[in-house]
Amino acid sequence: GAVVSQHPSWVICKSGTSVKIECRSLDFQATTMFWYRQFPKQSLMLMATSNEGSKATYEQGVEKDKFLINHASLTLSTLTVTSAHPEDSSFYICSARGRGTGVESEQYFGPGTRLTVT
Amino acid sequence: GQNIDQPTEMTATEGAIVQINCTYQTSGFNGLFWYQQHAGEAPTFLSYNVLDGLEEKGRFSSFLSRSKGYSYLLLKELQMKDSASYLCAVMDSNYQLIWGAGTKLIIKP
Repeated sequence: GAVVSQHPSWVICKSGTSVKIECRSLDFQATTMFWYRQFPKQSLMLMATSNEGSKATYEQGVEKDKFLINHASLTLSTLTVTSAHPEDSSFYICSARGRGTGVESEQYFGPGTRLTVT
Repeated sequence: GQNIDQPTEMTATEGAIVQINCTYQTSGFNGLFWYQQHAGEAPTFLSYNVLDGLEEKGRFSSFLSRSKGYSYLLLKELQMKDSASYLCAVMDSNYQLIWGAGTKLIIKP
C-alpha cells in the first residue's frame, strides 16, 4: 500500500518559536494533501487542504498566517507553525491522496507529529 | 449542516462480536470510510463502501444503506489488539472527508 512519512515524529519547542513539519508521499504522487490536528480524546480536525502548485484552502477558524502550508511538489507538503504557543500543542497528522475518485480517493495517513510547546 | 454520529464508547469481550454504528447527513455522498486509530497513532484504513450492502474483509465487515444514511462496522472474534478508536468518515460531493468523532472500543478479557 501507499506510504506517507512525516518528520519529525515529535518535537518540543519554546513558546514564540516556529516549527516545520514535513509530509512526504513515498511511493505515489499526492495531488492533494491534508493537514489535520487532533487534541486528546477528540476526533481529527481538518485544518487545510493543499493541491500541488496552488495555495492551500484553510478551514474556518484556522489562521493561515499562523499555519503556513506549502505543497511544492507532488511528494512533499510542509506545515510551519509560526510563533507557536502552548495552546498549539497537539497531534498533527497529514494525509495524502493520489489521482482518481472512489476508493482511489482513499487518504493515506502519515504517522503524525506530536508537538509540545513549552 | 453536515453531521456524522457514532457512539462515543463501547465495551465488548474478547472473542465476541461488536457492531459500531454510524449515521450521517452530508451534502452529497461519494463513499463512506472506516478507519482504526490506536492511541497516539495515525488512523489506518479499514474499509470503503459506496454501494449498499455488506463488504467483508476477514474479521471486519462494513455495511452501508445510503437511503437510511447509515453504516456499521462489524468486528468478529474480537482480540485485545482491536482496542482502539474507530472513525467513520463520509466523502461529500466535493470529495472532502467529513469525520465522525470516533468510537472508542474497549475489549475486556
